[in-house]
Amino acid sequence: QVQLVESGGGVVQPGRSLRLSCAVSGFTFSSYTMYWVRQAPGKGLEWVATLSEDETTKYYADSVKGRCTVSRDNSKNTLFLDMNSLRPDDTAVYYCARGDPWFGGQGDVAFDVWGQGTMVAVSS
Amino acid sequence: VVMTQSPLSLPVTLGQPASISCRSTESLVHSDGNTYLNWFQQRPGQSPRRLLYKVSNRDSGVPDRFSGSGSGTDFTLKISRVEAEDIGIYYCMQNTHWLVSFGQGTKLEIK
Repeated sequence: QVQLVESGGGVVQPGRSLRLSCAVSGFTFSSYTMYWVRQAPGKGLEWVATLSEDETTKYYADSVKGRCTVSRDNSKNTLFLDMNSLRPDDTAVYYCARGDPWFGGQGDVAFDVWGQGTMVAVSS
Repeated sequence: VVMTQSPLSLPVTLGQPASISCRSTESLVHSDGNTYLNWFQQRPGQSPRRLLYKVSNRDSGVPDRFSGSGSGTDFTLKISRVEAEDIGIYYCMQNTHWLVSFGQGTKLEIK
């Protein structure tokens, strides 16, 4: 079945870096746009980044632009989020979610599957 | 695009209807003619679950008591008869525009 599994979270000091991973199975990862979404404790959902299937299109939320880089390894069915200069307000559960495939979908698939999330806590 | 939901808290009696409004600051009609407005449910301690996509299309396994409507900048999620399992937070989200955005969330609770 379709599955997304995030990893890489943990406790990190302000100013440090962290790499999150999202391992995918059950569908042809290399054909799909992917997303990162985060949720601070007790808060709502916040879109973080979008990455097209071929990495030609990347979008970032203003809150992380310049500090985060989204990438993927299609040979390993894995999505990444590299976060630098971490701040306390980056503390959140980070989810990856599937987008639409390049060959269509037109919204039918986007955000239909989410991982369980990985917690990032930025604290000294 | 800013998404604004109301109310933010919704106490409902079991068996009664519930309605959540979602408004966007820009039209969500894409150049391809589709409107990419989705609704999600998040139960306590769980990942978000997509309920409806493109305004009114129910995902597989979603009870037909959930329905979506609206157009342009004004959208609504309705639950015809609230059940105990519907407790959680509901979010609207647009991905018409490249910068995806969510509403603040509406907490549905039982009176």
